[in-house]
Amino acid sequence: EAGVVQSPRYKIIEKKQPVAFWCNPISGHNTLYWYRQNLGQGPELLIRYENEEAVDDSQLPKDRFSAERLKGVDSTLKIQPAELGDSAVYLCASSLRGSSYEQYFGPGTRLTVT
Amino acid sequence: RKEVEQDPGPFNVPEGATVAFNCTYSNSASQSFFWYRQDCRKEPKLLMSVYSSGNEDGRFTAQLNRASQYISLLIRDSKLSDSATYLCVAQGGFQKLVFGTGTRLLVSP
Repeated sequence: EAGVVQSPRYKIIEKKQPVAFWCNPISGHNTLYWYRQNLGQGPELLIRYENEEAVDDSQLPKDRFSAERLKGVDSTLKIQPAELGDSAVYLCASSLRGSSYEQYFGPGTRLTVT
Repeated sequence: RKEVEQDPGPFNVPEGATVAFNCTYSNSASQSFFWYRQDCRKEPKLLMSVYSSGNEDGRFTAQLNRASQYISLLIRDSKLSDSATYLCVAQGGFQKLVFGTGTRLLVSP
């Protein structure tokens, strides 16, 4: 069974530029999460989707971050404009509804903002 | 104060040693607890759940003390392959997972 797929794996951009990350969850997983992981820290939730609905986006910096999950499958996370402090690994995860404790993570996108 | 706190380590132990990690959580409303494992430059993966009665899975034992808001993970007979970062996780409202910063373990030959 294919795991969570993310692309790109690495991205280097200059500050003030836009960037987008893509995630394809495990087939059949209704719940999709975007996390940000800074060096030496644990993952921090940015947004959680149940199908196509964002049910928790309280931690998403809405001035520059946006996300969508059209058709309740793939998802895209965008940053515009990027800032130096956005350098981190952006992880996508998915889980079955009712099993949010067992989240399957993708390999992440390592973003460097220069 | 972070909601889930862990000693970042690293814990350096020889093969065959027993090592224990501790974690504290501040939100008394947290309902469930877990340990995730994260290898260097890899994604986190669920290691095991933590129950008040204790949970054992092979060489790994997890324990929860709700009164002290304290979680532990014990690894017996450490293997080189156990070298990783161990993330303590609390599940709170809306089933949200809150991750600690992780404890790094290095097992040497």
